[in-house]
Order: sequence, then C-alpha cells, then structure tokens
Amino acid sequence: AQSVTQLDSHVSVSEGTPVLLRCNYSSSYSPSLFWYVQHPNKGLQLLLKYTSAATLVKGINGFEAEFKKSETSFHLTKPSAHMSDAAEYFCVVSAAYGGSQGNLIFGKGTKLSVKP
Amino acid sequence: DGGITQSPKYLFRKEGQNVTLSCEQNLNHDAMYWYRQDPGQGLRLIYYSQIVNDFQKGDIAEGYSVSREKKESFPLTVTSAQKNPTAFYLCASSTIGFGTGFRQPQHFGDGTRLSIL
Repeated sequence: AQSVTQLDSHVSVSEGTPVLLRCNYSSSYSPSLFWYVQHPNKGLQLLLKYTSAATLVKGINGFEAEFKKSETSFHLTKPSAHMSDAAEYFCVVSAAYGGSQGNLIFGKGTKLSVKP
Repeated sequence: DGGITQSPKYLFRKEGQNVTLSCEQNLNHDAMYWYRQDPGQGLRLIYYSQIVNDFQKGDIAEGYSVSREKKESFPLTVTSAQKNPTAFYLCASSTIGFGTGFRQPQHFGDGTRLSIL
C-alpha cells in the first residue's frame, strides 16, 4: 500500500532564511512523487515532480526536492524564503504501478508562514 | 491560455437540494478528477474519469454523482444524500501515461466552496 506523511503541519520561517518541508512516503513500487503549492482559496499548482530520473529535482520559484530511497523521503527545500512563499504545500505519491489514474495519495499539507 | 475553469466560485445548498458544480478544461486532457478538501485533511478523491462516458468511484463517492458526456466537461452533483457537503471542491485533469507506471501531474482549477444554508 502507498502512503505519504508530511511531518509538520505548520512551519514558520523568517524572510531570507532557508525552508525545509519534510515528506516521507511508503510505496511498494518505484513511486512518482510530486510537490504542490496552494494559496488561499485557490487550486493546487505543481512545484516539481520526481519520476525516477535525477534524484535532485528542481522546480519553480527556486524550490527543489531530493528523492532519498534509503530514507523514503522527498523533502522540499528553498535556500531563501520570500513573503510570497507563504502558502500550504502538499506532498503527493503515486499509487501502484500500472492500473488506473485515480491513485494519487495526498499528504495532509504543511502550512508555511513567512515572517518579515 | 489553456486551463481548468470551475464554476461557481461559491455555492450554497438548501436542505434536501441537489447542486451541480461545473468543471471545464481546454487542455485536451483525457483524465479528469474531483476532490474534496477539508481543513487539515488534504485532498480526498471523489470520482475520476479516463475517457468519455466512463468514470470510477474514488475514496468518498457516496452522496455524489458525475457524468462525462464530453471530453472537456466533468460536472459533479452533490446530492441530498451527502449529509456533510460543506467543503472546498477541486477539479483536476491530466494526460494519461500508459505503459510507464508513472502518474502524470494533475492540473487544478481554482475550486468551488460549497456551504449549507
């Protein structure tokens, strides 16, 4: 079975300091992994995706994530937070190999606050 | 610009009433999805469709119905059987990556917030 755990429900950083949002996954197969961002009352926007190519994945807005199979982790990082990064972030894992498309598993989200 | 349009942005339901949420995409995607989002619970899949005139139940389909008569459209009806409909509803679409075992990223609309009157 597949599952995803976002280890922090809320992270607060100061503007200009690094961001780390933690995600652990469980998957019986080589997973696809995604990070999405959601601003208030908006839909989800794809930040980056991992699909078994490079383990360090670069996304939009300066975010990146590293796939670590030994630790079953896919943490999201950014070297320097900006006020506009304040939002909720979702880690997402794909389900079983093959089969239907309806098998994305969403984490419960991490709300990022950025202090001036 | 290509994208997904959800309407209305806000919707109110009276007791015993069915309401329909609209979702239209012009991305030429084969697959479409409906999710329900409640605070602190992430997204939960209601229904999805990979092809016209076919759809499958997700994790929380009870009290909801869908149709897929056109590739571009995937409306969701919240029926009176859904006793706790207050939530933020998100529609998404994606291509289908056959053969690779990897899921394509989904593109989301801006959601419809449904409340009870």
